[in-house]
Amino acid sequence: QTVVTQEPSFSVSPGGTVTLTCGLSSGSVSSSSYSSWYQQTPGQAPRTLIYSTDTRSSGVPDRFSGSILGNKAALTITGAQADDESDYYCVLYMNNGIWVFGGGTKLTVL
Amino acid sequence: EVQLLESGGGLVLPGGSLRLSCAASGFTFRTYAMSWVRQAPGKGLEWVSTITGSGDPTFYADSVKGRFTISRDNSKSTLYLQMNSLRAEDTAIYFCAKTVSNWGPFDYWGQGTLVAVSS
Repeated sequence: QTVVTQEPSFSVSPGGTVTLTCGLSSGSVSSSSYSSWYQQTPGQAPRTLIYSTDTRSSGVPDRFSGSILGNKAALTITGAQADDESDYYCVLYMNNGIWVFGGGTKLTVL
Repeated sequence: EVQLLESGGGLVLPGGSLRLSCAASGFTFRTYAMSWVRQAPGKGLEWVSTITGSGDPTFYADSVKGRFTISRDNSKSTLYLQMNSLRAEDTAIYFCAKTVSNWGPFDYWGQGTLVAVSS
């Protein structure tokens, strides 16, 4: 069974730039994976940041961007702010209607 | 404004059943696929099931296939998840999510409803 991989944790300085990645245990992420990114703080519902690789969801600031870097999907946050400290999840389409989430990345801003 | 409101969660015995509902508003419900995503306590997100706008086809994660059934009533703009043969590992917050079109990733989320399976 294919596993979606994310960095368990990452830290960034206020004002800095960070790139989180989302890969496959077997194979490469492509546009056909429709990679999407979600931000979640404790006790809250997920918030959609990016869908279908690079489409920013309504109301999401352009500090957040999505792309494919090499064989992985990537979420880049520029000008990191304190309230960016959250868990970030990616999801990939696996064919046959199946979606698989990554384990999430806990981002610390300090 | 898109709104998704889940209900139906609660405490259930192992082997029991529960039906979740998600009332949708703010968009043309019948033209969008809908999904259920769950999150066990302290764990990450897990996709559970998706149903297209017409109600067919439907898709399930292996972990729930044969036990859970997703359905929808487009006349009521409501999504359902019938959960049977519940196990302790089904304990989670269940989120209803709208997809970006009649198929695709998720863009709007409800606040979730808690399902606890325990004796």
